[in-house]
Amino acid sequence: QLQLQQSGPGLVKPSETLSLTCTVSGGSISSSVYYWGWIRQPPGKGLEWIGSMYYSGSTYYNPSLKSRVTISVDTSKNQFSLKLSSVTAADTAVYYCARSVAGVTRNFDYWGQGTLVTVSS
Amino acid sequence: SYVLTQPPSVSVAPGKTARITCGGNNIGSKSVHWYQQKPGQAPVLVIYYDSDRPSGIPERFSGSNSGNTATLTISRVEAGDEADYSCQVWDSSSDRVVFGGGTKLTVL
Repeated sequence: QLQLQQSGPGLVKPSETLSLTCTVSGGSISSSVYYWGWIRQPPGKGLEWIGSMYYSGSTYYNPSLKSRVTISVDTSKNQFSLKLSSVTAADTAVYYCARSVAGVTRNFDYWGQGTLVTVSS
Repeated sequence: SYVLTQPPSVSVAPGKTARITCGGNNIGSKSVHWYQQKPGQAPVLVIYYDSDRPSGIPERFSGSNSGNTATLTISRVEAGDEADYSCQVWDSSSDRVVFGGGTKLTVL
């Protein structure tokens, strides 16, 4: 059974960089069948896609966040990571990592447990 | 950019049928996926590719997609179905994943 385990700090200061890691177990992050992505959900609001990447390193990002987002992969550790720079209070949200099917569907079939990240001094 | 529109809330009595809509320009030409999210939990995929169900999802959950509206239908609604439901597509023209705003299903 595939599992995605998230790790990273729950509190980040304004203007600093948010960093989260997602460790995949029960399957390989190097599969050509899947993308690996990040989604966030501000308190009381809907889901917002941040970006996704392929094991080869190719990425695609939400245009509204693209200038501040970096998603990277470490195939040796079966992990992928999110960095969001210059955070403000508006970036306070529950952040999820998830696997999506490659191709024209791009549905997310496995999700991490979620990490509440609060931006505050 | 592509926009998906969902009603904020839907209410239904136990045993009845709930229908949650997801509107988008020519959404019938895209693959629509639906997620169920209960408080404090990660989303769970309940319908993918318009109408397919992942293993473990009850047959009471079904989906359809045509024209400018996709619909998630939950038959014989149970108290345990109370949750937020969100639709999602991939907009190939912009290479962007798009979520609807979510609909809170209340079981009366």
